[in-house]
Amino acid sequence: DGGITQSPKYLFRKEGQNVTLSCEQNLNHDAMYWYRQDPGQGLRLIYYSQIVNDFQKGDIAEGYSVSREKKESFPLTVTSAQKNPTAFYLCASSIDHFTGLNTGELFFGEGSRLTVL
Amino acid sequence: QKEVEQDPGPLSVPEGAIVSLNCTYSNSAFQYFMWYRQYSRKGPELLMYTYSSGNKEDGRFTAQVDKSSKYISLFIRDSQPSDSATYLCATHNTDKLIFGTGTRLQVFP
Repeated sequence: DGGITQSPKYLFRKEGQNVTLSCEQNLNHDAMYWYRQDPGQGLRLIYYSQIVNDFQKGDIAEGYSVSREKKESFPLTVTSAQKNPTAFYLCASSIDHFTGLNTGELFFGEGSRLTVL
Repeated sequence: QKEVEQDPGPLSVPEGAIVSLNCTYSNSAFQYFMWYRQYSRKGPELLMYTYSSGNKEDGRFTAQVDKSSKYISLFIRDSQPSDSATYLCATHNTDKLIFGTGTRLQVFP
């Protein structure tokens, strides 16, 4: 089945540790996105990538890093510099960035819930 | 002022009711509007999108945009318990989607 796979579903981290969230898609989509969802704040864009080996910062990129070495994969690293990392993280893809913007046709994964202890 | 405002709810209705979910937006230049449904502990899924003003219907769902008042609505007819979810509105500026905070809907049998 085609779709977006995020792992792990739940992750616990001690303060000061970096963690990497995995996002893989087999939809052959060019554009991929990382969002953070907090109660009462909706979805906020962390990073997005329109094409392999290219990515742009979103609204809340500080304390996060990404890479896009393969079309299928867009991992997110939550670094120790992120002051409040406990959240629900969503990865999404669209056939291309323009289509995603105009039609909203983003395909989301099931999310990764990160808790900092 | 937030670019997209949405009442968080929760909204609780009996099965069969007509549900109205609403958002307001601040920028009159916004042209594309979307509604997503998000079940608990899942990612959102696109329900409908509309361009500019007017209505769009898909089964029990109708999306409506009123650009004069910067108001977007999603109507659900004959609501079902399976419609219980959080509904997010969204629009876009030049380079990203902007989401509302979501309204939690509970349809009880």
